[in-house]
Amino acid sequence: AQSVTQLDSQVPVFEEAPVELRCNYSSSVSVYLFWYVQYPNQGLQLLLKYLSGSTLVESINGFEAEFNKSQTSFHLRKPSVHISDTAEYFCAVTSNLGGNQFYFGTGTSLTVIP
Amino acid sequence: GAVVSQHPSWVICKSGTSVKIECRSLDFQATTMFWYRQFPKQSLMLMATSNEGSKATYEQGVEKDKFLINHASLTLSTLTVTSAHPEDSSFYICSARDQGLAGVEQYFGPGTRLTVT
Repeated sequence: AQSVTQLDSQVPVFEEAPVELRCNYSSSVSVYLFWYVQYPNQGLQLLLKYLSGSTLVESINGFEAEFNKSQTSFHLRKPSVHISDTAEYFCAVTSNLGGNQFYFGTGTSLTVIP
Repeated sequence: GAVVSQHPSWVICKSGTSVKIECRSLDFQATTMFWYRQFPKQSLMLMATSNEGSKATYEQGVEKDKFLINHASLTLSTLTVTSAHPEDSSFYICSARDQGLAGVEQYFGPGTRLTVT
């Protein structure tokens, strides 16, 4: 089985400042990694994913994450945050061996301060 | 593409009654759907995996007789909370995997807020 650790439960950051949301995973097999964003009272929206290839993946709204196999990490970063980025962010992992189950981290609440 | 809907988006029911939540894949076929439960300020907890045409697979600790899952077609799975109690109040989210794609991505519905009074 796999597991995900998001070390920061809450991250306050000023508008236009950079941010990093940390995600570490544990797995005995190769994995696929995902970041989802959840706005209040809504479902999860896929932000970005790593399946294979380049270890640096980007989203359309300026977020990026880098898969680091040696450190078993998939940290999410944005160089300049906006008020609209305030949301809950979940890191998730699944095995690339065909298993369907996703394992989610406990989430990081990002609050952008004007 | 890859849209998953849930109905209703929110529901309030009295203790002891049953509530049915629908999860639909609108533009793709899903042999497998997943049901999650999310408590306030917490992560998603997988409740069960729903497979079209067969019985659902429940996670440890989830009462299958209380949370009835029916995956009747390739685009519809339902979760029925039977004899609901206040402790069943939660945010229920479904997801679906596109059987037509080789990838593993799951597409999530918008969630259903259940409040049992």
